[in-house]
Amino acid sequence: GAVVSQHPSRVICKSGTSVKIECRSLDFQATTMFWYRQFPKQSLMLMATSNEGSKATYEQGVEKDKFLINHASLTLSTLTVTSAHPEDSSFYICSARIIRDRGLNTEAFFGQGTRLTVV
Amino acid sequence: GQNIDQPTEMTATEGAIVQINCTYQTSGFNGLFWYQQHAGEAPTFLSYNVLDGLEEKGRFSSFLSRSKGYSYLLLKELQMKDSASYLCAPMDSNYQLIWGAGTKLIIKP
Repeated sequence: GAVVSQHPSRVICKSGTSVKIECRSLDFQATTMFWYRQFPKQSLMLMATSNEGSKATYEQGVEKDKFLINHASLTLSTLTVTSAHPEDSSFYICSARIIRDRGLNTEAFFGQGTRLTVV
Repeated sequence: GQNIDQPTEMTATEGAIVQINCTYQTSGFNGLFWYQQHAGEAPTFLSYNVLDGLEEKGRFSSFLSRSKGYSYLLLKELQMKDSASYLCAPMDSNYQLIWGAGTKLIIKP
């Protein structure tokens, strides 16, 4: 099956610094990628939808100036957490979907996730 | 609004069968996914149903009834490694996955 690679898997940073998380689709072109955040024992929360070559669409309550998303190519999307604070500590996961056969065959693949700890 | 309802937690015995139910309400529908998520890890794909009926894949099967807004995941021959959270995620008319809190499955020897 298709593979989505996310890097890094774990990162610890100081408060006030920025962290970049990369998400790559390894064997397919992902025109759309999704970024999720998951706090412990909670469900996945969609942060933004990233479309190749255009600005990301952010969910309500997500600060676009804080969570910068770039989808410069069909195989790479990046999420940069700017001026990170301890409350940004979370599990961040990217996902790419493939829609085939007019929706009769759809798959959504996830990266391995990035555990961000801001100290 | 959009809503997912699954049991919070279930317990089953190694070697047994367990069925995890999911009811959903979404704005439009483009199929339903089941994912497995071990603690601290990203979800992994288990199944996708877009038409009514049962899809079987090894020890795991998934059923969908679109008219009832209902799906279930059936796990057979349970193994200890099946202890995880199972997430039911329908896809709405915008092809966005709608997530619930998932069902934590505990397998006992």
